[in-house]
Amino acid sequence: DAGVIQSPRHEVTEMGQEVTLRCKPISGHDYLFWYRQTMMRGLELLIYFNNNVPIDDSGMPEDRFSAKMPNASFSTLKIQPSEPRDSAVYFCASSIVAGGPYNEQFFGPGTRLTVL
Amino acid sequence: DQQVKQNSPSLSVQEGRISILNCDYTNSMFDYFLWYKKYPAEGPTFLISISSIKDKNEDGRFTVFLNKSAKHLSLHIVPSQPGDSAVYFCAAGSSGSARQLTFGSGTQLTVLP
Repeated sequence: DAGVIQSPRHEVTEMGQEVTLRCKPISGHDYLFWYRQTMMRGLELLIYFNNNVPIDDSGMPEDRFSAKMPNASFSTLKIQPSEPRDSAVYFCASSIVAGGPYNEQFFGPGTRLTVL
Repeated sequence: DQQVKQNSPSLSVQEGRISILNCDYTNSMFDYFLWYKKYPAEGPTFLISISSIKDKNEDGRFTVFLNKSAKHLSLHIVPSQPGDSAVYFCAAGSSGSARQLTFGSGTQLTVLP
C-alpha cells in the first residue's frame, strides 16, 4: 500500500487566494483526520470523518476553512480566503475501526503551506 | 486548554545514554496513550502505545511508563542512537470518544554522536 497520499507537498500563495489541499487515505480505512502543525500549538485536530461523514469539526479555526470527503478515497481541505497566519504544515491521517484498541493513525507526508 | 502537554520543547542526549521524554495530561477520560516519532519533511509515525490498565510497555529500546495517579507518562529510549533524533509527540485517546486522538506539542530529541 502506498500509504496516505497528500498533494501538493508545498504550496506558496498570496493572501486572499483560495487554497485546496488534497488527501487520499489508505484503502479500506474508514476514518480520516485533518491536522495542522505549528510551532506554538503542535498538532491540532481540525476535523475528522467517519465513512465520509464529518463527525467533529470543532477544531476548524474559522469559517474560511472547509473540508469535504466526497468518497472513501478522497478528501479536500479548503481555505478561502487564505491569510498569512494560516501558514503551517497540514497533515492528513487515516485509521480503521478494526485496527486494534489504540486507534493508531497513519499520517501522510504533509503539505507545507506558506501564505505571503 | 491543552489536555496533553509536553513541557520540554527540546532535549539533547549523548549517543548510548538514556533519553527520557515526558508527557502530562489533564483529562481523566483518557484510557490509552501513544507515542509518535516525526522526521523532518515526513508525517508522524506510530512508535509505541500503552493502555491505562498497564503501567509499562516495552518494545526493544523503547519503553513507555504510565503513572495514572500523576497523569504522567514518559518514553525511555535506551540506548539512544543518532537515528533517534526526531520530534516525539505524545497522544491520548478515550475509548468512549470514537477514534479521536489529542496530541501534545512535541519534543525535539537530538542524539549527539
